[in-house]
Amino acid sequence: QQPVQSPQAVILREGEDAVINCSSSKALYSVHWYRQKHGEAPVFLMILLKGGEQKGHDKISASFNEKKQQSSLYLTASQLSYSGTYFCGTERGDYKLSFGAGTTVTVRA
Amino acid sequence: ETGVTQTPRHLVMGMTNKKSLKCEQHLGHNAMYWYKQSAKKPLELMFVYSLEERVENNSVPSRFSPECPNSSHLFLHLHTLQPEDSALYLCASSQDARVNTGELFFGEGSRLTVL
Repeated sequence: QQPVQSPQAVILREGEDAVINCSSSKALYSVHWYRQKHGEAPVFLMILLKGGEQKGHDKISASFNEKKQQSSLYLTASQLSYSGTYFCGTERGDYKLSFGAGTTVTVRA
Repeated sequence: ETGVTQTPRHLVMGMTNKKSLKCEQHLGHNAMYWYKQSAKKPLELMFVYSLEERVENNSVPSRFSPECPNSSHLFLHLHTLQPEDSALYLCASSQDARVNTGELFFGEGSRLTVL
């Protein structure tokens, strides 16, 4: 079962913040976030394991609410380099990492 | 330079052709994956190999046939494909198949067009 991401797309100006949400109808063991720039391979951002921990990578952070089966990715003070498509991947303790349809982020000067 | 290399980067084939996609990882990982990426759709897991053994076949049609001769190489053999199989095929690797323990390293993909 693939997770649902929202919004589908967001346009930001440099310095603005954004939140990308990822939700699942099934219990989750972990949530993964990746970013893919046009014509490039998806690149790993972070993994969140069940336990409600929050992680950060530079000014990109994420939270995982296992009770709600949701994760949110926070882009703070966005930079031009943050543009790309963000995918969440969810995993239920098996070999399968199911990805959402992606959220396209465009950061403009 | 990516640790996962895919060839060819672009492939155009007819519905009756037979071709293969190749993936090579230089990271010493034990697990390799094939994903399909179609426009406006989520990444779809196709196959998972752990230590050269297939551990997942995600209901993929038999016209796609994977092969993992060793932990560094993964192939996807294609035959009698359909136009709807046109997509970007991504290979990935990880330290092991327990995805919750680490990241996937993706290649840049093979763009397949079926005429």
